[in-house]
Amino acid sequence: AQSVTQPDIHITVSEGASLELRCNYSYGATPYLFWYVQSPGQGLQLLLKYFSGDTLVQGIKGFEAEFKRSQSSFNLRKPSVHWSDAAEYFCAVGYNQGGKLIFGQGTELSVKP
Amino acid sequence: GAVVSQHPSWVICKSGTSVKIECRSLDFQATTMFWYRQFPKQSLMLMATSNEGSKATYEQGVEKDKFLINHASLTLSTLTVTSAHPEDSSFYICSASSGSGNEQFFGPGTRLTVL
Repeated sequence: AQSVTQPDIHITVSEGASLELRCNYSYGATPYLFWYVQSPGQGLQLLLKYFSGDTLVQGIKGFEAEFKRSQSSFNLRKPSVHWSDAAEYFCAVGYNQGGKLIFGQGTELSVKP
Repeated sequence: GAVVSQHPSWVICKSGTSVKIECRSLDFQATTMFWYRQFPKQSLMLMATSNEGSKATYEQGVEKDKFLINHASLTLSTLTVTSAHPEDSSFYICSASSGSGNEQFFGPGTRLTVL
């Protein structure tokens, strides 16, 4: 069965520091991979997505993610975190862009001043 | 990106009553809509997938008679929680897609509290 694992439930980083959120997936075929951000009590906003091609994808708000097939990973990175980045981050896997998604458990990001 | 709205944004109801939540695609035709449930501090769990004009496909463990989904038009899907109980209290999020191969857009969610 397909699954998505985000090993870190909660991460705290200092403002201005770099960030990496981990995501591993279990999938039988080449997956469609997504990262979403959710602020408290809000819906989800798409940060970036990978379908094919260049394995390093750029997203909004300065985020990027790298698809590594050999490691079944799709880690999210940002070189310098801003206080406004504090939120819940979800990694998701899908069959296609418009199909149902399987979400990881989420990683809560806190940003220290 | 496309806009998906949900109404109401929050609702409080008494145990045993039914609650209807609307999901609308405001600027595109949504041939497929998805309903998710999110408990506090947890991830989103897909409840069902609905295609316009067809019966919804429910995920394993989701009671179709309790969570009624209607997708009667290309811009509106509704989720009705029938005979709601406190354990149904959750954050319900819908998403919409204009079809296979197209991006899924999420609504802002509806907070349901059953007393």
